[in-house]
Amino acid sequence: SQQGEEDPQALSIQEGENATMNCSYKTSINNLQWYRQNSGRGLVHLILIRSNEREKHSGRLRVTLDTSKKSSSLLITASRAADTASYFCAPGHRGGADGLTFGKGTHLIIQP
Amino acid sequence: DAGVIQSPRHEVTEMGQEVTLRCKPISGHDYLFWYRQTMMRGLELLIYFNNNVPIDDSGMPEDRFSAKMPNASFSTLKIQPSEPRDSAVYFCASSLVNNSPLHFGNGTRLTVT
Repeated sequence: SQQGEEDPQALSIQEGENATMNCSYKTSINNLQWYRQNSGRGLVHLILIRSNEREKHSGRLRVTLDTSKKSSSLLITASRAADTASYFCAPGHRGGADGLTFGKGTHLIIQP
Repeated sequence: DAGVIQSPRHEVTEMGQEVTLRCKPISGHDYLFWYRQTMMRGLELLIYFNNNVPIDDSGMPEDRFSAKMPNASFSTLKIQPSEPRDSAVYFCASSLVNNSPLHFGNGTRLTVT
């Protein structure tokens, strides 16, 4: 199965600023998911956006999906120190026969 | 809901020894996944099960690796014999159906010396 590729690889911003991460993928999808991983822990599911949706919100998170460009973005507004983590996208491909695969992620650092 | 439970949290072993990692998925989840994470290779999908049956093991790196799911509440990943390059964090995850949100355990950090 095809994994998503996150960009940038690393991002450092000041607390209170917004953080934007991007994801690109190669094949048709049913949905796309975003996950967070804090150091030393397992991944935590943040949000799932379906292929027929263009935008989804969850608290301070905003996800967009452009299936024509095969890309998605994750925006974290009013960032906090606790948002420091790695963020991964995972495309769920058509047919649903493959397990989710992940790229290298975006490592986000929020400077206090 | 206790979440996905993995044991042990840390394992240090010598090259050539057998290593067994254990996972208890969330009750009612039909899918179970084993991943390996390293700095160099990122997060790799090793194998996944549906209703206790292995569906895709193409990510298993070598014959030294094997995984079983004898029942819906337990899975093991075994490495025999272990090698230093197997050192990594191994994660187990479960989900209700495929492509639905994954619930990860906190991983087993394996060090092979």
